[in-house]
Amino acid sequence: GQNIDQPTEMTATEGAIVQINCTYQTSGFNGLFWYQQHAGEAPTFLSYNVLDGLEEKGRFSSFLSRSKGYSYLLLKELQMKDSASYLCAVKDSNYQLIWGAGTKLIIKP
Amino acid sequence: DAMVIQNPRYQVTQFGKPVTLSCSQTLNHNVMYWYQQKSSQAPKLLFHYYDKDFNNEADTPDNFQSRRPNTSFCFLDIRSPGLGDAAMYLCATSSGEVDEQYFGPGTRLTVT
Repeated sequence: GQNIDQPTEMTATEGAIVQINCTYQTSGFNGLFWYQQHAGEAPTFLSYNVLDGLEEKGRFSSFLSRSKGYSYLLLKELQMKDSASYLCAVKDSNYQLIWGAGTKLIIKP
Repeated sequence: DAMVIQNPRYQVTQFGKPVTLSCSQTLNHNVMYWYQQKSSQAPKLLFHYYDKDFNNEADTPDNFQSRRPNTSFCFLDIRSPGLGDAAMYLCATSSGEVDEQYFGPGTRLTVT
């Protein structure tokens, strides 16, 4: 079966750095997406990786290793507004998006 | 601004009473998706349209139907809502099947 694993919850301090890991086992691979979802709101697109390596976008970076079936989302200079769930999703060989259950990130002052 | 719009944002219906949720987009995207999301769970794809081509997920109950009368609009019909259908319903669009999806704000459905 297809599976996406991410930690259920993480806590970090305002101003610090946090890394949210995602491992996947899917039928084929056509890219990995990270989305941010605030409570009661819709997911918003953060990043897309299809090749190995690091993609940087402001305070957020996303890394992919296809051989290891592994990605992480790195958030720097954490702000209180970064408190949200972060969902990892992988497109399989049929271009179906397989979603993880999300990591709830709690930022403390 | 180009966007995905869902109406209503909050919908209350009675057990067994049909309900329709709507989604519209100004992005002119080919693909439209309907997801169901329950608290602390991943979004669950119900179906999607690639243009007029309808794709139903194997485990989507028959109780859920969809219509896409034109590129801009897509509807989710729940014929006989049960208590287990209470959830957030998310509409999303993408330019193509490989592209990122853009989500509407969602409709939170309550079944009484």
